[in-house]
Amino acid sequence: AQSVTQPDIHITVSEGASLELRCNYSYGATPYLFWYVQSPGQGLQLLLKYFSGDTLVQGIKGFEAEFKRSQSSFNLRKPSVHWSDAAEYFCAVTPGFGNEKLTFGTGTRLTIIP
Amino acid sequence: NAGVMQNPRHLVRRRGQEARLRCSPMKGHSHVYWYRQLPEEGLKFMVYLQKENIIDESGMPKERFSAEFPKEGPSILRIQQVVRGDSAAYFCASSPDAGGPAYEQYFGPGTRLTVT
Repeated sequence: AQSVTQPDIHITVSEGASLELRCNYSYGATPYLFWYVQSPGQGLQLLLKYFSGDTLVQGIKGFEAEFKRSQSSFNLRKPSVHWSDAAEYFCAVTPGFGNEKLTFGTGTRLTIIP
Repeated sequence: NAGVMQNPRHLVRRRGQEARLRCSPMKGHSHVYWYRQLPEEGLKFMVYLQKENIIDESGMPKERFSAEFPKEGPSILRIQQVVRGDSAAYFCASSPDAGGPAYEQYFGPGTRLTVT
């Protein structure tokens, strides 16, 4: 069965600093990979996704993620965070091929300090 | 194009009552997914439906929970005889089709169920 690990439960970053959120997955083949963001009391918004091809994926709000097959990782990055980036971030995978149910990590809560 | 709609946004039930959560997918979407988010946890898959069919219910508790997506109308997640452990946020997502590089699930705002 596929699984997703987000090893960092909570990260605090200064505004303007760079950010990297870690995500490792376990799956036999290359899954479809996603990063979602959830603001308090809200639903999930897709930041970016990876299916194949270029391993560096650009998303919305200045985020990017890099797929590394050898490390089974799909880390999310942003060069300079803004106070509005404070939220919960979820990495997710799906095997594709007709049943696209998402398996989520437990999330990383991002706090931004002035 | 309106997004995924869920109602109610907040629902309070006493133990033993029934909870009905509704989800209207985006226009043109025929695939619906339900996920549950317990406090301080990630989202867990519950069930995947297409119109009039349950495709995958491997994440649904065996008892008290049921889901449907009729030909007309919203998808319904039904919880009978609710218990305190059912308190959670329930999210619905929809997609236009399964698979492919353009694939994406669009999430609704969720229904927050509180069982007292």
